Amino acid sequence: DGGITQSPKYLFRKEGQNVTLSCEQNLNHDAMYWYRQDPGQGLRLIYYSQIVNDFQKGDIAEGYSVSREKKESFPLTVTSAQKNPTAFYLCASKGGVQETQYFGPGTRLLVL
Amino acid sequence: RKEVEQDPGPFNVPEGATVAFNCTYSNSASQSFFWYRQDCRKEPKLLMSVYSSGNEDGRFTAQLNRASQYISLLIRDSKLSDSATYLCVVNIVTGTASKLTFGTGTRLQVTL
Repeated sequence: DGGITQSPKYLFRKEGQNVTLSCEQNLNHDAMYWYRQDPGQGLRLIYYSQIVNDFQKGDIAEGYSVSREKKESFPLTVTSAQKNPTAFYLCASKGGVQETQYFGPGTRLLVL
Repeated sequence: RKEVEQDPGPFNVPEGATVAFNCTYSNSASQSFFWYRQDCRKEPKLLMSVYSSGNEDGRFTAQLNRASQYISLLIRDSKLSDSATYLCVVNIVTGTASKLTFGTGTRLQVTL
């Protein structure tokens, strides 16, 4: 099956800890995106990558880092500098005739 | 002013009712438009694109008014399974990059 996978489904972070969220796609899409969703707010763009080995900051990149070493993979690291990391994190890739974005199932990050 | 504004609802309607959601956007450079559906604690899924001429997909009709910067979604003959949050999304292309901006969503609850 083609699609986007994210792991883990739930992730717990301790104070001062860096954690990495996985995102993999087998849709052969060039562009990939990371968003966070908080209650009562729209999705906010963290980072995006339009092609392998290139990525750009989104609207709320502080406290996050990414890499794009392979077309299929776009992991997001939530660093200890991110003071309010509790959120629902969504990865997306873009492709198809209409250039629409397709989302993975998301990872819920909680701070202990 | 938010870039994409939606009435958060909730809209509580009986099964079989017709319900309409509205959305306004502030950036006149917005080039493409979408409605996504998001179920509770799940990822957003593309419902339909919105074209200038208006478009229909079964019970769902989307309209775009560029002059008023206004998008609508009409759902006829509501089903219980239509209960979800509906996200209005606009795409702005700047150079070679495109960015999706999401509304906060309108929640629909269809009841017996």
